[in-house]
Amino acid sequence: SQKIEQNSEALNIQEGKTATLTCNYTNYSPAYLQWYRQDPGRGPVFLLLIRENEKEKRKERLKVTFDTTLKQSLFHITASQPADSATYLCALGTNQGGKLIFGQGTELSVKP
Amino acid sequence: GAVVSQHPSRVICKSGTSVKIECRSLDFQATTMFWYRQFPKQSLMLMATSNEGSKATYEQGVEKDKFLINHASLTLSTLTVTSAHPEDSSFYICSARDLGATNEKLFFGSGTQLSVL
Repeated sequence: SQKIEQNSEALNIQEGKTATLTCNYTNYSPAYLQWYRQDPGRGPVFLLLIRENEKEKRKERLKVTFDTTLKQSLFHITASQPADSATYLCALGTNQGGKLIFGQGTELSVKP
Repeated sequence: GAVVSQHPSRVICKSGTSVKIECRSLDFQATTMFWYRQFPKQSLMLMATSNEGSKATYEQGVEKDKFLINHASLTLSTLTVTSAHPEDSSFYICSARDLGATNEKLFFGSGTQLSVL
């Protein structure tokens, strides 16, 4: 069955460092992969989308890589700030139907 | 950016009652909306895909008679939890895709925390 796994443990880092979150998947051939941020008691907010034919995407302090051979995406936040503390979700989608399958999320905590 | 409004944000009800949750796309049209359910510290689980003007498509294991979905217009979808029980207590989130957009990102509502006593 399809499976998506993110860093199982919460990630604690110091302000100013780079946070790296991992998303691995099996039994799935996504057309694209997305990353979302979710704060407690709120709905997810879209951050970045990367397609199967793209290796890397950047947006300000965010960088996403997508390796379809390894079936893995890495999500980086450079120069991290306490305001970046949240849960980050990866989601995979195909070109049929438009629905997304989500990973369980990784809780990031950035300490001042 | 596009805004999805979800209401109510929190509801507490007695066991056996029905609860309706509304999801509106405020500044865009959405032929398709998605309803998710989320337990604490867990992933969003897709419950159903709501299609404007037609029946919803439910994921395996989701009771369609329990979770009634109506998508009457291009900007409104509703989820009704019928005869709610304590095990239905959860965080329900809707999402929509902009009909006119070129990418596949979803816009999410702020969620509804349902507590069934």
